[in-house]
Amino acid sequence: DTGVSQDPRHKITKRGQNVTFRCDPISEHNRLYWYRQTLGQGPEFLTYFQNEAQLEKSRLLSDRFSAERPKGSFSTLEIQRTEQGDSAMYLCASSSTSQGYEQYFGPGTRLTVT
Amino acid sequence: KNEVEQSPQNLTAQEGEFITINCSYSVGISALHWLQQHPGGGIVSLFMLSSGKKKHGRLIATINIQEKHSSLHITASHPRDSAVYICAAPDSNYQLIWGAGTKLIIKP
Repeated sequence: DTGVSQDPRHKITKRGQNVTFRCDPISEHNRLYWYRQTLGQGPEFLTYFQNEAQLEKSRLLSDRFSAERPKGSFSTLEIQRTEQGDSAMYLCASSSTSQGYEQYFGPGTRLTVT
Repeated sequence: KNEVEQSPQNLTAQEGEFITINCSYSVGISALHWLQQHPGGGIVSLFMLSSGKKKHGRLIATINIQEKHSSLHITASHPRDSAVYICAAPDSNYQLIWGAGTKLIIKP
């Protein structure tokens, strides 16, 4: 399967713990996006990368959140000192600037903070 | 005023009906993205179109660039089409500006 993959699919953690999610984009895609979606709401943009450069971060991305894409391929999103309000679905998408703007989404990582 | 507006917000129809969801946008470059999300599921890209019409199976998307309006049609609707349908307009950095979504329920 050459689609966008995310790992893990589900994560339950206790408040105060750190969590890290991984996203593997479609291999030829140079852009990678992270979104957060809470129940009944649309996706909220968090950040995006073009190759290894992080070009924009939303104000939603507090200093407890950090994202990396060290080699311009997979990306990680880390949340430190998790809070119950961090419980959400974290979505990753990728696109290619040479093939138009269409974003392809991964299945998401559902985080539950207890 | 939202930059990307969808209507209706909710739509319930009987199986077999022809479905139309509308999207108007005031921002973005001249293209529009239609996406689908089933309850509890991930987001699936349906169409990205910048002109005319695209068709995939029972789904048809049209766009009028001059009027900045797009429609998503579903022919011969089926209960498995029940989902949230979202339109999104890419801005000049190709980031998506999202509509609020249309929750579609198809009753058998």
